[in-house]
Amino acid sequence: ETGVTQSPTHLIKTRGQQVTLRCSSQSGHNTVSWYQQALGQGPQFIFQYYREEENGRGNFPPRFSGLQFPNYSSELNVNALELDDSALYLCASHGGRSSPYEQYFGPGTRLTVT
Amino acid sequence: QKEVEQNSGPLSVPEGAIASLNCTYSDRGSQSFFWYRQYSGKSPELIMFIYSNGDKEDGRFTAQLNKASQYVSLLIRDSQPSDSATYLCAVNAGSARQLTFGSGTQLTVLP
Repeated sequence: ETGVTQSPTHLIKTRGQQVTLRCSSQSGHNTVSWYQQALGQGPQFIFQYYREEENGRGNFPPRFSGLQFPNYSSELNVNALELDDSALYLCASHGGRSSPYEQYFGPGTRLTVT
Repeated sequence: QKEVEQNSGPLSVPEGAIASLNCTYSDRGSQSFFWYRQYSGKSPELIMFIYSNGDKEDGRFTAQLNKASQYVSLLIRDSQPSDSATYLCAVNAGSARQLTFGSGTQLTVLP
């Protein structure tokens, strides 16, 4: 167990709707990165939050947005859902003092857009 | 050209054999290298990381890094059926030190 939690586990939404996914980081970690994993592919970097600021972004449109809270937990918001947004959404917790570069994933949220 | 490439697989080895998984990367500025194991329907689990050229051993796992050749590999000794999973190679680069993943190699260990 990594100590990283995500909610909800599964979600079904309709095209055009909005969704919010949540992540609680591991104790001692101050950075959260979000990834999207399509079936049969490796995870793709969406963005990263460090000390409540966006610290880097992958090739995702602005309808993907996020937040980080003072306790380092984070949210991923997706507006105007499209069918291609169906994927496993993973958050990774990192930034611990002893191992700043190793990223530990939560169990993921499986999003289905119909 | 993909930034991180892995053997397309699937790879099958008999129980007790050595499984060899390979990965190449394109960004010479990459500093850190990771192997994740992902069981079907689960999230990736970090099993090895390596930062310096050479070998790093942890139990039955050995990671090998050659920065000059931009090559990283994972050896699994005494493979067990429970090692059957998809293995993802990831490289840490970019301003946010984000992970760039390969598409994974599916390993099956046959009893």
